[in-house]
Amino acid sequence: HLQLQESGPRLVKPSETLSVTCTVSGGSDSDTYYWAWIRLPPGKGLEWIGNFYYTGNPYYSPSLKSRVTISADTSRTHISLNLTAVTAADTAVYYCAANVGTSGIDVWGQGTTVTVSS
Amino acid sequence: DIVMTQSPLSLPVTPGESASIACRSNQTLRHINGYTYLDWYLQKPGQSPQLLIYLGSDRASGVPDRFSGSGSDTDFTLKISKVEAEDVGVYYCMQALQTPFTFGPGTKVDIK
Repeated sequence: HLQLQESGPRLVKPSETLSVTCTVSGGSDSDTYYWAWIRLPPGKGLEWIGNFYYTGNPYYSPSLKSRVTISADTSRTHISLNLTAVTAADTAVYYCAANVGTSGIDVWGQGTTVTVSS
Repeated sequence: DIVMTQSPLSLPVTPGESASIACRSNQTLRHINGYTYLDWYLQKPGQSPQLLIYLGSDRASGVPDRFSGSGSDTDFTLKISKVEAEDVGVYYCMQALQTPFTFGPGTKVDIK
């Protein structure tokens, strides 16, 4: 079955670029999945960052659109999140997730904590 | 963006009793295809969120039948019958009708 594993630097300096990678394993028929990045800032609720299908264009949250890029490699084993010009407000646990069933986000990675600090 | 609200934001529960969480959207979540794109998630302490309910009332695979979702258009309810200690955590509703998908603020459920 599909498994997702996030990885990336735990500490990023303000104004720099946050880069997190999601390694995809297992699963099949990936053209029908949608992939998403979601984050959980400390003391706050879940926030949708963006999502995409392999066969379509990505959708980004308007509040992050000018700074975020989600992409996948040609082997479809890695999905990347890049967030530029980060501030302390971008400190969060970042989750890679996927919809593989009828509806709903039914597969989640374990999350990776990223702290923005000098 | 569709705005999601939840109530209550904090819910102490007694094991064995029932609990309900309300979720409201500021516009209908019913698609022209007839489906209602409202999900419920539970994030247990120290864990990733997990899908409980999708399309308003369909239980996800492996979810105990003490969890049920109901409602339509803009008003929804998650009911937990006979709450167990393992049900503690933060419950979120999320609309998946249109991007950006948006979550409610979360309801923290803990044991009295």
